[in-house]
Amino acid sequence: NAGVTQTPKFQVLKTGQSMTLQCAQDMNHNSMYWYRQDPGMGLRLIYYSASEGTTDKGEVPNGYNVSRLNKREFSLRLESAAPSQTSVYFCASGQGAVWGNTIYFGEGSWLTVV
Amino acid sequence: GDSVTQMEGPVTLSEEAFLTINCTYTATGYPSLFWYVQYPGEGLQLLLKATKADDKGSNKGFEATYRKETTSFHLEKGSVQVSDSAVYFCALNSPTGNQFYFGTGTSLTVIP
Repeated sequence: NAGVTQTPKFQVLKTGQSMTLQCAQDMNHNSMYWYRQDPGMGLRLIYYSASEGTTDKGEVPNGYNVSRLNKREFSLRLESAAPSQTSVYFCASGQGAVWGNTIYFGEGSWLTVV
Repeated sequence: GDSVTQMEGPVTLSEEAFLTINCTYTATGYPSLFWYVQYPGEGLQLLLKATKADDKGSNKGFEATYRKETTSFHLEKGSVQVSDSAVYFCALNSPTGNQFYFGTGTSLTVIP
């Protein structure tokens, strides 16, 4: 009953370091998403993948790259971390472009950049 | 563009009080509407949804009705419990199905 699994759950980075957040879903969903959550700003979409082999920018893509490795996995990479990227990151997945598409979230990854 | 506006928090209620959290939306076409709940330290969980006008979504005593004439999807619960303390997010899904838009969240604290 895993659903959407994210790793790591907690990470502290130094400015300029790189890292990759991993996400996997076991619901055979077509679409996957990466959001960041900051106090007072709700959820903001970083990137999404409508289907395997495609990725698109969301509202706040700068400083991030993504890879849709296969249908199950969607990773988010920070090439050179900055303090402004301190946030909670959520991966989500959904059925895709169908009526009433619902997305399901992972438990989050807490990232601190010092 | 599409967007969701929900009432500012935080909201503090006594146990067994009535809850309303307002949500209005702007969208072209006929979006689907959602309420998600986030408990401390956890991810967002789907609470309820409605996919067309006049539909009522319900779950765990919470209800919300899709009102197209007022572009609203207000969340209500008749008697809140301490365990309902969480952050609640209103969201819409564009008719093409792939874009989700979230409100900024409303923090609810229920005190015994």
